[in-house]
Amino acid sequence: GEDVEQSLFLSVREGDSSVINCTYTDSSSTYLYWYKQEPGAGLQLLTYIFSNMDMKQDQRLTVLLNKKDKHLSLRIADTQTGDSAIYFCAEYDTGRRALTFGSGTRLQVQP
Amino acid sequence: EAQVTQNPRYLITVTGKKLTVTCSQNMNHEYMSWYRQDPGLGLRQIYYSMNVEVTDKGDVPEGYKVSRKEKRNFPLILESPSPNQTSLYFCASSLGSTTEAFFGQGTRLTVV
Repeated sequence: GEDVEQSLFLSVREGDSSVINCTYTDSSSTYLYWYKQEPGAGLQLLTYIFSNMDMKQDQRLTVLLNKKDKHLSLRIADTQTGDSAIYFCAEYDTGRRALTFGSGTRLQVQP
Repeated sequence: EAQVTQNPRYLITVTGKKLTVTCSQNMNHEYMSWYRQDPGLGLRQIYYSMNVEVTDKGDVPEGYKVSRKEKRNFPLILESPSPNQTSLYFCASSLGSTTEAFFGQGTRLTVV
């Protein structure tokens, strides 16, 4: 089956940049997503990228996609304490017509 | 306000006692799905529905049932819950299977 992998934990200082990495296995993925989950809440879509793009920028967020290595990253510039959350990478599985999520990366921002 | 509403938010039940977790969306979305979230495993899809009366198994459907009699509602049914179904459950809806998914607040289920 398809697999999406992320590191489990990242700690940064307020004001620094955060980079969360993700690898996936489905080479036919057409969409790749980043979701954010704050404590006690559901997931919220942060941003997404089409597989024919290699970069997407949205304010403090930059998504980089390396299709050859099947590597996706999310960079958060000027990280704030409010960015502390779990970040999930997800790919759209064309076969199952469903999202496959990674295990999530817990981002801790220290003041 | 556009939202996905799940009920209940928290539930503790005993093994074998049938339960239903409701999910309702007010965005006229065709695609709805149920996930369970377990530590270190991310979200795994249980069931999904492409439209009314159309449902399909996800990755972990065993022990669960769903129905889609109306577009807005997609209940998750556990006919005979077992302790390994203790988890955090999320309902999600979207216009299509590839578009932005909107998630409910989650239902934390404990089966003792």
